[in-house]
Amino acid sequence: DAGITQSPRHKVTETGTPVTLRCHQTENHRYMYWYRQDPGHGLRLIHYSYGVKDTDKGEVSDGYSVSRSKTEDFLLTLESATSSQTSVYFCAISYALAGAFYEQYFGPGTRLTVT
Amino acid sequence: DAKTTQPNSMESNEEEPVHLPCNHSTISGTDYIHWYRQLPSQGPEYVIHGLTSNVNNRMASLAIAEDRKSSTLILHRATLRDAAVYYCILTGGGNKLTFGTGTQLKVEL
Repeated sequence: DAGITQSPRHKVTETGTPVTLRCHQTENHRYMYWYRQDPGHGLRLIHYSYGVKDTDKGEVSDGYSVSRSKTEDFLLTLESATSSQTSVYFCAISYALAGAFYEQYFGPGTRLTVT
Repeated sequence: DAKTTQPNSMESNEEEPVHLPCNHSTISGTDYIHWYRQLPSQGPEYVIHGLTSNVNNRMASLAIAEDRKSSTLILHRATLRDAAVYYCILTGGGNKLTFGTGTQLKVEL
């Protein structure tokens, strides 16, 4: 299994509070991704990173920010959590070379509930 | 990225082959066809991918139509552990995946 951990694995928080989810990898892969998954939907990309301090928005980035100060860590922050951000969050990593595709490896997920 | 169409659900018996279809009529010449699956309460895992030719690996086979407008993921002998949601995804060579709702595969004894 690819070395990807997510923390916390479960979190309950109140509306309006800030929340940070952490994704940690031991594979030294260049690309890291944050997805969310809601009932009846496939995974949707929130943000991704293609290197240290290099990030870009995905399909559903509103209300989320990310940071990557080290290759191994990719942080997802909800500045002011809302109930619509209740979801399961998955981190993924991918090795990459220009013009080539490499599979993504996913973490175990973080279940976030905003009350 | 071009869209894919998959059946919502399929059923299979254990030890029998399973053919999971995917339609992608608007596929472009540079789109790769990827399959991922998601077991209950887990993150997705990569299964297989291809461009034009059929592909085999230890998990499955991928059969791609000659016109590339459809493909089929083949599990040669389904087991209970293969019960999952299977996603067919197209990418244009980039590193972003767009997941649909996939096919829920149920495997019965």
